[in-house]
Amino acid sequence: AQSVTQLDSQVPVFEEAPVELRCNYSSSVSVYLFWYVQYPNQGLQLLLKYLSGSTLVKGINGFEAEFNKSQTSFHLRKPSVHISDTAEYFCAASSGYALNFGKGTSLLVTP
Amino acid sequence: KAGVTQTPRYLIKTRGQQVTLSCSPISGHRSVSWYQQTPGQGLQFLFEYFSETQRNKGNFPGRFSGRQFSNSRSEMNVSTLELGDSALYLCASSWGQGGSNEQFFGPGTRLTVL
Repeated sequence: AQSVTQLDSQVPVFEEAPVELRCNYSSSVSVYLFWYVQYPNQGLQLLLKYLSGSTLVKGINGFEAEFNKSQTSFHLRKPSVHISDTAEYFCAASSGYALNFGKGTSLLVTP
Repeated sequence: KAGVTQTPRYLIKTRGQQVTLSCSPISGHRSVSWYQQTPGQGLQFLFEYFSETQRNKGNFPGRFSGRQFSNSRSEMNVSTLELGDSALYLCASSWGQGGSNEQFFGPGTRLTVL
């Protein structure tokens, strides 16, 4: 099974600043990668996914991620964050049926 | 199109009891997966159902079980509840099986075991 490591448990950032949330996965023959966001008392919402093709993936709410096979990374970025981006972010990988999630990164955006 | 719905949203039980949680997938989705989310262990896969059959199971004891009905609705059951079963239980549906299929998550059922 895939394992996923999110390198930062918490990331504080000021509003309108850029942010990068880091994610590494264990290598596999083929892997599908996802970023989900979870707001308080809600389920998970898909931000973006990498299945194949272009290594730069654009998602909702201005987020993007880059698949780097040599470094087995799939870091999430946003050039300018808003207060409303404050949430828990999960990186997930799948090579079979189930999603294997990282422990999550708490993004805190302050004015 | 309506999203994934889960009932109830909140549940309080005592040790030793059993509980049944319900999940209604997005219309047309045939795969339903269940996940447990706790502060200590994070998000962990419980099991997946497709066409009324359990296709995959995570590393959980036999007290955790589930089923899927012909309309793709799914239930999960936890028997002999333990304090450690307190968690947010998330249901996710997708059109088909396989890791490339996008999973859509419900809001979850918050189970508290006293």
